[in-house]
Amino acid sequence: DSGVTQTPKHLITATGQRVTLRCSPRSGDLSVYWYQQSLDQGLQFLIHYYNGEERAKGNILERFSAQQFPDLHSELNLSSLELGDSALYFCASSVGAEAFFGQGTRLTVV
Amino acid sequence: GENVEQHPSTLSVQEGDSAVIKCTYSDSASNYFPWYKQELGKGPQLIIDIRSNVGEKKDQRIAVTLNKTAKHFSLHITETQPEDSAVYFCAASIHKGGGADGLTFGKGTHLIIQP
Repeated sequence: DSGVTQTPKHLITATGQRVTLRCSPRSGDLSVYWYQQSLDQGLQFLIHYYNGEERAKGNILERFSAQQFPDLHSELNLSSLELGDSALYFCASSVGAEAFFGQGTRLTVV
Repeated sequence: GENVEQHPSTLSVQEGDSAVIKCTYSDSASNYFPWYKQELGKGPQLIIDIRSNVGEKKDQRIAVTLNKTAKHFSLHITETQPEDSAVYFCAASIHKGGGADGLTFGKGTHLIIQP
């Protein structure tokens, strides 16, 4: 167990809808990262938050957004969902360079 | 941006033999190189990492080597066991104060340990 908690584990929703994925980092970790894993794109970095502030953006679509709250948990919001957004979404947390991943949320858009 | 290439995509070895997975990176500013193991239905698990000021690091049956000049790094697993079967990912990033940049991952290697 990495200590990073993601909810929900599975999510099925329809095209055009909006969903929120939640991540609780390891105790004491200030950094939260979001990644998307799909068969065609592999593991891709989406966004990094450090102590509540956005630090870096990767290949994150404009329809997607994230935030990190004062208690350091983070949420990834996905809107106007398309079939191609179906993927595993991982959250990772770190205090230094080492990033520890949660078990992921499997999103299926139908 | 950074680009990480990983080979092979599939590697089958006999139990007890060694396995080697190789990666190259493109951004000379990258200074942190972790390796992750992912089992079916689970998140990536950090198994070993190396920083650019070190050429080699070992942890029991696992070792990683880094050649900064050639921009490549490798994972070596000795005395392979059935529980080593998984998908392995290499990654690269720039680590500075306030955490590392997001990791750029290779495409993964499916390691199969034959009994």
